[in-house]
Amino acid sequence: AQSVTQLDSQVPVFEEAPVELRCNYSSSVSVYLFWYVQYPNQGLQLLLKYLSGSTLVKGINGFEAEFNKSQTSFHLRKPSVHISDTAEYFCAVSGPDGTGFQKLVFGTGTRLLVSP
Amino acid sequence: GAVVSQHPSWVICKSGTSVKIECRSLDFQATTMFWYRQFPKQSLMLMATSNEGSKATYEQGVEKDKFLINHASLTLSTLTVTSAHPEDSSFYICSARALLTGEYGYTFGSGTRLTVV
Repeated sequence: AQSVTQLDSQVPVFEEAPVELRCNYSSSVSVYLFWYVQYPNQGLQLLLKYLSGSTLVKGINGFEAEFNKSQTSFHLRKPSVHISDTAEYFCAVSGPDGTGFQKLVFGTGTRLLVSP
Repeated sequence: GAVVSQHPSWVICKSGTSVKIECRSLDFQATTMFWYRQFPKQSLMLMATSNEGSKATYEQGVEKDKFLINHASLTLSTLTVTSAHPEDSSFYICSARALLTGEYGYTFGSGTRLTVV
C-alpha cells in the first residue's frame, strides 16, 4: 500500500524567505507524486506533479519540487514566499494499487504561515 | 483546463434529513470519481471511488447505506448523505480522473460544507 508522510504540521516563515515543505512516500511500485494547495473552505488546487522524466518539477506560483527516488522524497520548495502563500499544502501519491482505480493518497498536510 | 463543479458549496440541514451533493466534470469525461471527507484542520479521507455505470467501492469503515454514491454518467456523480446526524457535519470534496488523453491527473471540486443541526 502507498502512504505519504509530511513531517511538518506547520511551517512559519517570514515573507520573502525561502521555504521547503517536506514529503516522504512509501510504495513498492512506481508512483506519481503531487502537491496540492488548499485555501480555507476551498477545494484543492494542483501546484505540480511528477509522473516521469526530469526529477525537478516546476509548478505554478513559483513552486518547484524534486523527486528523489533513493530517499523516497518529494519536497516542495519556493525561493521567496509571499503572504498570499499562507495555506495548507498536501503531498499526495498515486499509482498502481491493485484496484485499478489508482486512488490518490494524501499526507496529513502542512500549514504554511507567512508573516510580514 | 479540466474543471469540476461541485454543488452546493454549503448546506445546513436538520438531523434526520438527507442531503445530495453533486459533482460535475464540465469539460471532460470522468471515468472515475472520488469522494473525500475532511475534518477541520485534517487531511482528506477517501470515502469511496466510483466508476461510471458501476457500483461505488467504499473504503473500510465508511457506511455505504449512509453515504450513497451514484455515478450515472461520465460527467456526473452524486453523494447523498442519508438520515444525516450532527456527526456527519464535515467538508466533502469530490475529485475526478479523466479518460486517458495523454494527461494524467485529478481535478477537485471546490467542496461542500455540510452542517447538520
